[in-house]
Amino acid sequence: DAGVTQSPTHLIKTRGQQVTLRCSPKSGHDTVSWYQQALGQGPQFIFQYYEEEERQRGNFPDRFSGHQFPNYSSELNVNALLLGDSALYLCASSLASLAGNKNIQYFGAGTRLSVL
Amino acid sequence: AQSVAQPEDQVNVAEGNPLTVKCTYSVSGNPYLFWYVQYPNRGLQFLLKYITGDNLVKGSYGFEAEFNKSQTSFHLKKPSALVSDSALYFCAVIASGYSTLTFGKGTMLLVSP
Repeated sequence: DAGVTQSPTHLIKTRGQQVTLRCSPKSGHDTVSWYQQALGQGPQFIFQYYEEEERQRGNFPDRFSGHQFPNYSSELNVNALLLGDSALYLCASSLASLAGNKNIQYFGAGTRLSVL
Repeated sequence: AQSVAQPEDQVNVAEGNPLTVKCTYSVSGNPYLFWYVQYPNRGLQFLLKYITGDNLVKGSYGFEAEFNKSQTSFHLKKPSALVSDSALYFCAVIASGYSTLTFGKGTMLLVSP
């Protein structure tokens, strides 16, 4: 049973460029959340997708956008990159049900983005 | 708004000794509380959760956590530390009715041989 997979593992971009990160959820999961983890900090919630729609959004600018596909995989897009966007981007998947374990999120290994 | 505080940047313990990693939270309503562990160059691994019920929660790798509502705390514990437990530990909370995690800044646990 494959867990959450993210690609690429590392990425180097320059300021002003655009980047797309990809995530495949754990088998059977239908909800994908994205987090940004800056160096020395805890992960911060960017947004969450369910049924191909953005369900919740954290305090991130519109430069951060996403998409969820019918197979539940997801993309995170960041436009007009800033130096401060350098971070580990984590994808987490979960199952949107009324079961007791509904809120356990399982994380991928992340994509390390460096903006130069 | 919900928040999590992990007051210690680093906890040092000798192998075989008990360990405690502290966490306090602030949330409206009933909290769902979690502990995750992060090894270098790895994503976060789920350790344990508190949703409701017994205040002492048992999780993976011999870890447990104690929920204390009056002190709004959810400290992570293990009776006997292993060198392989050395990692970065995150406490997180979800407010009832929501589904997004709010994390603390993390506590580095170093277990010496």
